[in-house]
Amino acid sequence: KQEVTQIPAALSVPEGENLVLNCSFTDSAIYNLQWFRQDPGKGLTSLLLIQSSQREQTSGRLNASLDKSSGRSTLYIAASQPGDSATYLCAVSFYNQGGKLIFGQGTELSVKP
Amino acid sequence: GAVVSQHPSRVICKSGTSVKIECRSLDFQATTMFWYRQFPKQSLMLMATSNEGSKATYEQGVEKDKFLINHASLTLSTLTVTSAHPEDSSFYICSARAGHPNTEAFFGQGTRLTVV
Repeated sequence: KQEVTQIPAALSVPEGENLVLNCSFTDSAIYNLQWFRQDPGKGLTSLLLIQSSQREQTSGRLNASLDKSSGRSTLYIAASQPGDSATYLCAVSFYNQGGKLIFGQGTELSVKP
Repeated sequence: GAVVSQHPSRVICKSGTSVKIECRSLDFQATTMFWYRQFPKQSLMLMATSNEGSKATYEQGVEKDKFLINHASLTLSTLTVTSAHPEDSSFYICSARAGHPNTEAFFGQGTRLTVV
């Protein structure tokens, strides 16, 4: 069964720190991987999409990497700000699941002023 | 990115009644739509996948007679929670994708359902 795991479940950092969120998945046969942000009580905001043939994607202070062979992705946030506080979710589209997006449990990030 | 509109954003209903949630792709044709459920402080759990014109494929443990999914057109899918009970209270989110499974999936804003 394909699974997606995110570590840590929660993270608290002071403002200005660079930080890394981790996502691992059990099957390297994937179409793509997406990172999302979710604010409390709200829907999902798409941050980055990495296709299986890509190694990384960047958007502003965010950089996502993908290592398919080891089943890992990281989301790097540079110079964190209090406005970055949210839950970050990664989701993987697996070949053997017909492209269904399977979500990790999320990392709840708190950036303290 | 493409826009997926979900309606209503919030709904309160009485036990025993049915509630319909709509998911529309506004600027693209969604050949595949997904419905997720999210409990407080938990991640999104896939309920079902629907392809336009076909019956939905439900995940294990999801009652298809309780959660009716219709994907009658390339821009609209609906989720009907039938005979709702308080334990059905949750956050429901739809997602839509055009074409191949390697294309990006876009998400609606979610619907907060409260059954009283």
